[in-house]
Amino acid sequence: ELKVEQNPLFLSMQEGKNYTIYCNYSTTSDRLYWYRQDPGKSLESLFVLLSNGAVKQEGRLMASLDTKARLSTLHITAAVHDLSATYFCAVDRLETSGTYKYIFGTGTRLKVLA
Amino acid sequence: DVKVTQSSRYLVKRTGEKVFLECVQDMDHENMFWYRQDPGLGLRLIYFSYDVKMKEKGDIPEGYSVSREKKERFSLILESASTNQTSMYLCASSSTPDLYTEAFFGQGTRLTVV
Repeated sequence: ELKVEQNPLFLSMQEGKNYTIYCNYSTTSDRLYWYRQDPGKSLESLFVLLSNGAVKQEGRLMASLDTKARLSTLHITAAVHDLSATYFCAVDRLETSGTYKYIFGTGTRLKVLA
Repeated sequence: DVKVTQSSRYLVKRTGEKVFLECVQDMDHENMFWYRQDPGLGLRLIYFSYDVKMKEKGDIPEGYSVSREKKERFSLILESASTNQTSMYLCASSSTPDLYTEAFFGQGTRLTVV
């Protein structure tokens, strides 16, 4: 069974600090996705990582993928309050129908304190 | 921009009622998904569809069914609603796996069964 685990589940940090969220998954996958969810709202795509060693950056967020270690990281640099949200990682899994399903982690709730 | 629209943001239904949740996407995507989101459990896949009239069970299909009569519309049906189906329901769509794209989500339907 494919499992996707994130840690930490909750993260409270001061503005200006750096931190990393980790996403581990249990079976081979070459693609990993990061999403953001604001309270009461839906999921918004942040990054799509398509191969081993992929690194993408947007503002204060940087995501990387190590397919050999089955690990992705989401690094936050100099956090600001606007980054407060829940962050999900997901991998896709090929089904017998030939299509892909997305399997999500449990999410990391980030709170940035002013 | 991809748009995935769910018919209701909030619903309150009584135990035993038959409940329909509707989802429409406007990007001609082949794949559509229904997830439920519960605190501490992340997103769990209920059903997905890879083509009109084609469907596959996800990880938690019990108590649910789906319908996809047209490519743009994917319906989730709670045959006889129960209180343990109180949850946030999220619909998503994606294009074929060859295009390596992420899933795009609707705004969510918060269902309360009383």
